[in-house]
Amino acid sequence: KQEVTQIPAALSVPEGENLVLNCSFTDSAIYNLQWFRQDPGKGLTSLLLIQSSQREQTSGRLNASLDKSSGRSTLYIAASQPGDSATYLCAVASGSEKLVFGKGTKLTVNP
Amino acid sequence: GAVVSQHPSRVICKSGTSVKIECRSLDFQATTMFWYRQFPKQSLMLMATSNEGSKATYEQGVEKDKFLINHASLTLSTLTVTSAHPEDSSFYICSAIRPTSTDTQYFGPGTRLTVL
Repeated sequence: KQEVTQIPAALSVPEGENLVLNCSFTDSAIYNLQWFRQDPGKGLTSLLLIQSSQREQTSGRLNASLDKSSGRSTLYIAASQPGDSATYLCAVASGSEKLVFGKGTKLTVNP
Repeated sequence: GAVVSQHPSRVICKSGTSVKIECRSLDFQATTMFWYRQFPKQSLMLMATSNEGSKATYEQGVEKDKFLINHASLTLSTLTVTSAHPEDSSFYICSAIRPTSTDTQYFGPGTRLTVL
């Protein structure tokens, strides 16, 4: 059974700092991995999707990497801004389109 | 981008009543939709896969008679929480797969259910 773990559970940083969020998964036989953003009481916004054959994806100040063999992914956020404050969720798809989510990392960027 | 809506966004009901939540894909047809539940500070947990024109597939531990799913059209799936109890209070989120973009699930904004 796939399990997804995200560390840290919460992170508070000053504005402008670069930061890394971590995600690990137990079964390396994945189809893809996605990073989402969730604002309080809201739905999910897809940030980046990495196919199993890819090593990384970039979108603006965000860069996600994938090391399938070790069961790890990182989300790098450059030059963080207060508007980046949210919960970031990592989710893994194992071929059936079903997503298994981690519990998320709650990020607070202080002005 | 693809848009998925949910209605209502928030509902409060008395214990024992049934509540229906709608999930609509606004600009595409979705043969497959998913229903998730999220408890405070917890991960999203998949409840069931909703397939248009056929019965939903429920995850282990999810009571199909309690959480009724109907995917009657290519743009609408409904989740009915029957005889709701306080422990059913949660954030329910649906997602839909756009046929031309099978790798990405588009998520609705969620429905906050509170059972008194």
